[in-house]
Amino acid sequence: DQQVKQNSPSLSVQEGRISILNCDYTNSMFDYFLWYKKYPAEGPTFLISISSIKDKNEDGRFTVFLNKSAKHLSLHIVPSQPGDSAVYFCAASAWYGGSQGNLIFGKGTKLSVKP
Amino acid sequence: GAVVSQHPSWVICKSGTSVKIECRSLDFQATTMFWYRQFPKQSLMLMATSNEGSKATYEQGVEKDKFLINHASLTLSTLTVTSAHPEDSSFYICSAYDRGREQYFGPGTRLTVT
Repeated sequence: DQQVKQNSPSLSVQEGRISILNCDYTNSMFDYFLWYKKYPAEGPTFLISISSIKDKNEDGRFTVFLNKSAKHLSLHIVPSQPGDSAVYFCAASAWYGGSQGNLIFGKGTKLSVKP
Repeated sequence: GAVVSQHPSWVICKSGTSVKIECRSLDFQATTMFWYRQFPKQSLMLMATSNEGSKATYEQGVEKDKFLINHASLTLSTLTVTSAHPEDSSFYICSAYDRGREQYFGPGTRLTVT
């Protein structure tokens, strides 16, 4: 059972426009959410995160929105640049018994930003 | 962010041999490190959690005798693929937490078993 779902395996966007990557989760215990960017044959790079006490977190061109009632989060990239082309993973974690649980990853969305 | 390194970045070995992959936290101490495996076009699969000074915790379906993990110090964890076979060919990535709730990943190791 997938606890973190990224239903769009790929997304194509024109340079300069907004990229919106979506992620849904099922476990209501998750209280911390992260986005990672990954190039082929490299480890994932941490991009941005959000705690469940917030509904928005912004860092430069990247903004993550969290809708707890819908168990949905999204990553907005504005403006999109060709260098943003990569696979984006959504991840979530929760506290269990006083310690942090492992990160649970979605399957990723491949973003292609066309010049 | 925190820096995690892996060595080697790629390795080719013959079937039946063992391969060791090192994961180091360069600017912080990591009591816990994680080992992931990524198959082509698939997400990251957590293999095991490596705990400094104690035994690793393996995920269901991961053979602990095949994937030996040693976390000898607060900055080093090693993954040894024993008696490697072609189906073990994959991209192996380690990660660690610094002080926050973000995991920082190493650059990965491409293993090819011939």
